[in-house]
Amino acid sequence: QSALTQPPSASGSPGQSVTISCTGTSSDVGGYDYVSWYQQHPGKAPKLVIYEVNKRPSGVPDRFSGSNSGNTASLTVSGLQAEDEADYYCSSYAGSNNYVFGTGTKVTVL
Amino acid sequence: EVQLVESGGGLVKPGGSLRLSCVASGLTFSEFSDAWMSWVRQAPGKGLEWLGRIKSEAGGGTRDYSAPVKGRFTISRDDSKSTVFLEMNSLETEDTAVYYCTWNTKIAVFGVWGQGTTVTVSS
Repeated sequence: QSALTQPPSASGSPGQSVTISCTGTSSDVGGYDYVSWYQQHPGKAPKLVIYEVNKRPSGVPDRFSGSNSGNTASLTVSGLQAEDEADYYCSSYAGSNNYVFGTGTKVTVL
Repeated sequence: EVQLVESGGGLVKPGGSLRLSCVASGLTFSEFSDAWMSWVRQAPGKGLEWLGRIKSEAGGGTRDYSAPVKGRFTISRDDSKSTVFLEMNSLETEDTAVYYCTWNTKIAVFGVWGQGTTVTVSS
């Protein structure tokens, strides 16, 4: 199972929006509405920010939103804040009781 | 608040074995017994890699693994101790990573993560 493809980096100024893509195949991202997104600050454990494509866990600001189209899912962070600077990973169910993560995107707040 | 605490990491020689533990707190016995638990690792400077998952006993206790670790790694659980284990055998230098225990709060959702435990495989 190959990792899902994410851009290595993305950036935006405070208050702006940044969108991260996560490209897979019809066997994972395109086949199931089971895409999640995780935020990871340096030296910390990942934290769930979006699940089932576009749902936010309790406590996650509504600045975080998700969507998908075909084999590509996207995470948008609106109204960028300094604390949003982190690595972001997507994940998807890949069928046959397997799961796959994305390659990760480093978001920089300029 | 649910917390997961991993332990058991350390330095091991290639070919060696290690057993990691993950203790859950903040869950009742019933809640932990119903929980599906996964292990995920992150090699230094690299991304996240799903290793495997164990279902609840009520769900059949089925264990599934990623291809790179199938046959070498084994996940088990002791619901009476709210603990899940990762037994790792035939370790290779490429297994060097931080190992995270996670709670699958929903299908394909790694909702709660431990702080991780570091495994270094080196001669």
